[in-house]
Amino acid sequence: GAVVSQHPSRVICKSGTSVKIECRSLDFQATTMFWYRQFPKQSLMLMATSNEGSKATYEQGVEKDKFLINHASLTLSTLTVTSAHPEDSSFYICSAEGLAGGLTDTQYFGPGTRLTVL
Amino acid sequence: EDQVTQSPEALRLQEGESSSLNCSYTVSGLRGLFWYRQDPGKGPEFLFTLYSAGEEKEKERLKATLTKKESFLHITAPKPEDSATYLCAVQEVTGNQFYFGTGTSLTVIP
Repeated sequence: GAVVSQHPSRVICKSGTSVKIECRSLDFQATTMFWYRQFPKQSLMLMATSNEGSKATYEQGVEKDKFLINHASLTLSTLTVTSAHPEDSSFYICSAEGLAGGLTDTQYFGPGTRLTVL
Repeated sequence: EDQVTQSPEALRLQEGESSSLNCSYTVSGLRGLFWYRQDPGKGPEFLFTLYSAGEEKEKERLKATLTKKESFLHITAPKPEDSATYLCAVQEVTGNQFYFGTGTSLTVIP
């Protein structure tokens, strides 16, 4: 149990375009989903925390107008990188925290999305 | 101030050579401490959650322990497939944000 998927796994786009990344909890309902960014050989950097039906909470320094997060249901959150530029190229990872039982207080991570902006 | 510090940054072991990874933390109140394994190009894989000092958990060749200031991930007789980056994270009692360490990159040489 506790499987989180991300789509797409890899995306290459031109500078100025927008890219949407989906994060789904496949076999559990997630009260909270998190979006992270990871640079090569570095740890995870939390970008934002989202709860179903409410606005996401962004970390300091993360542009909310550039990284749009929608948490439409207890199993789906999306991150849209708007007007992407080469410096946005990175590995984006989502995680989900379970609703109840043994899944609470533990984040389960998706496999990540490699974004390359040309 | 860093809430989570992992050491060493990198560790090379011979197959079968046991060792420990350290995760020290400074939070006002610990809700939980988490260990993850991350392979290159993939998302972290959950290993353990520890909640209180003195708690221990085991899974195959891995054993995690917790004190009031740090956690150890002991690796007994490691195999090459144990090579990965091991991440530690803590969650405070207040709020649900996780603080991640920078990880320990483990390489097990056959």
